[in-house]
Amino acid sequence: TQLLEQSPQFLSIQEGENLTVYCNSSSVFSSLQWYRQEPGEGPVLLVTVVTGGEVKKLKRLTFQFGDARKDSSLHITAAQPGDTGLYLCAGGQGGKLIFGQGTELSVKP
Amino acid sequence: DAGVIQSPRHEVTEMGQEVTLRCKPISGHNSLFWYRQTMMRGLELLIYFNNNVPIDDSGMPEDRFSAKMPNASFSTLKIQPSEPRDSAVYFCASSPGAAGVYSPLHFGNGTRLTVT
Repeated sequence: TQLLEQSPQFLSIQEGENLTVYCNSSSVFSSLQWYRQEPGEGPVLLVTVVTGGEVKKLKRLTFQFGDARKDSSLHITAAQPGDTGLYLCAGGQGGKLIFGQGTELSVKP
Repeated sequence: DAGVIQSPRHEVTEMGQEVTLRCKPISGHNSLFWYRQTMMRGLELLIYFNNNVPIDDSGMPEDRFSAKMPNASFSTLKIQPSEPRDSAVYFCASSPGAAGVYSPLHFGNGTRLTVT
């Protein structure tokens, strides 16, 4: 049973478009992290959000943690081909991280 | 900082054979995690260690899987006997403390296991 549901699973867009990826759960997490994974490599941390309602920005990426700390979103503005990859959310519980299934993003030039 | 080092990068073996995957965590990190990634199930936590002690192995699928951490700089994941359904990419990750709030995971590049 997946504790973290990500949507959409696949997303193919043109360069310059905006997009939002969602990460939802029925469980409360002490923190939520977003990772990006490229083919043949392990996931790499993008950001950690801790406080309900928290918003963090990383250049064109905006991350938000839900007020109840059960959900999160990742918004990318003006996507570029370099943003292509697998985006994973992960919730912290009891000293371990539980990952969502991931969103496979393809940005075409 | 060399990062988390896993070996081998690729392993192809026949059903019934023993497979051993190896991991060297980042020096100074005291938590180590083994994950398995497949298209169907995504990234699944198999087991994690804190200060070389196994804390949670509830994700280990069967008795065929075992993991050890004899010291702070080395861990192994063993599958014996291996089965085709074990085919996946196995990741090792380490963190400075308990994974979560202030301790992100640092992943290796994984071992792609194919069992024929």
